[in-house]
Amino acid sequence: DVVLTQTPVSLSVTLGDQASISCRSSQSLEYSDGYTYLEWYLQKPGQSPQLLIYEVSNRFSGVPDRFIGSGSGTDFTLKISRVEPEDLGVYYCFQATHDPPTFGAGTKLELK
Amino acid sequence: EVQLVESGGGLVQPGASLKLSCVASGFTFSDYWMSWVRQTPGKTMEWIGDIKYDGSYTNYAPSLKNRFTISRDNAKSTLYLQMSNVRSEDTATYYCTRRVMGMDFDYWGQGVMVTVSS
Repeated sequence: DVVLTQTPVSLSVTLGDQASISCRSSQSLEYSDGYTYLEWYLQKPGQSPQLLIYEVSNRFSGVPDRFIGSGSGTDFTLKISRVEPEDLGVYYCFQATHDPPTFGAGTKLELK
Repeated sequence: EVQLVESGGGLVQPGASLKLSCVASGFTFSDYWMSWVRQTPGKTMEWIGDIKYDGSYTNYAPSLKNRFTISRDNAKSTLYLQMSNVRSEDTATYYCTRRVMGMDFDYWGQGVMVTVSS
């Protein structure tokens, strides 16, 4: 199975700061169709996960433009510019390129 | 508004069976693949499996395929997860999700807790 390694495990920020989360894959996530099926999900406290980013860099409907996904191959990054209170929670990367699909272990974003 | 509402969880003894349900609304259920995803108490996320929009194809996590079965009733807009011979490591919150090519899990239910313990 593809292993997704997220760093850091936790990240303490001040509101308004930029935050950056890394997701490294044990195999390239570029599929034979040319697309890269790497997504980011946010689980806010007490809630279900919600889709933020799909295909590396596409924001899901309603997701603010302060969320920016980037990367290729095996290395991916989620940047959050100007962190706001509603951004706090656990971020998971997820790959659907290889079967079975797998999640990273999560990165907890919290206030300093 | 898309809604997914799971039910059927609870406390179950090791070796027993349990069937979870997920009622969908706000979209044409029969047009979409659906999936189950679980989250352990330690917050590890695991994909369980998918079912095609017409129920003709299913795909499972290799570690679960011999014990878990996903099915659907499009007339009732309901997704099911049949769990058999449950183990303590099946203790988790189980989420019903809608799966879309390229986006994967665009909508999630609120989750249902399953605790396996004697």
